[in-house]
Amino acid sequence: QSVLTQPPSVSGAPGQRVTISCTGSSSNIGAGYDVHWYQQLPGTAPKLLIYGDNNRPSGVPDRFSGSKSGTSASLAITGLQAEDEADYYCQSYDSSLSGSFVFGTGTKVTVL
Amino acid sequence: QITLKESGPALVKPTQTLTLTCTFSGFSLSTSGVGVGWIRPPPGKALEWLALIYWDDDKRYSPSLKSRLTITKDTSKNQVVLTMTNMDPVDTGTYYCAHSTMIVGGSYFDYWGQGTLVTVSS
Repeated sequence: QSVLTQPPSVSGAPGQRVTISCTGSSSNIGAGYDVHWYQQLPGTAPKLLIYGDNNRPSGVPDRFSGSKSGTSASLAITGLQAEDEADYYCQSYDSSLSGSFVFGTGTKVTVL
Repeated sequence: QITLKESGPALVKPTQTLTLTCTFSGFSLSTSGVGVGWIRPPPGKALEWLALIYWDDDKRYSPSLKSRLTITKDTSKNQVVLTMTNMDPVDTGTYYCAHSTMIVGGSYFDYWGQGTLVTVSS
């Protein structure tokens, strides 16, 4: 089971802004470990969207942004487009149980 | 250009051992800060991290699967191998290998293979 909790789904109309939360604890996000975000389009491998809390890899549109506060992090998508319909996952490091990498529960973004 | 490709059996029987190979190019697993990890999303479920091996041969495993997993690297062949023992139908799914980059706040997976589908069935 994942230690990072995300809402199962969010939706928005084209052009709108949506946010996805990622709630952790004092052994992962709250301990200061970075949060990274991935986008998985249907039938494809995950793609890195945000690394180090709020950094975009080359080629990722600036419509995607990340933030972190306390034991939670968020991914914001502004100017929502049909091509953004996908599953989104947060990821961090957890220092409990000998240390491990953890993914969030995943959020399905639907463009109305 | 960094690429990774998974290979292995498409079908394994329950209780058998699964061996997956990740063959990569465009980077060296002897470069400081670099690692290769394995991740799977069981059907209908979220991504699950399995194991990761670093450039210095440091190995990390998912606590819940540690007893069943072994990860090794062959730097000369640009390959990483994952073995998982005692396979069960619940282990059915797509297995991905991914290049990881280490930063101060923890590693992330920046390049992914296309994935290989493994079905566990008798």
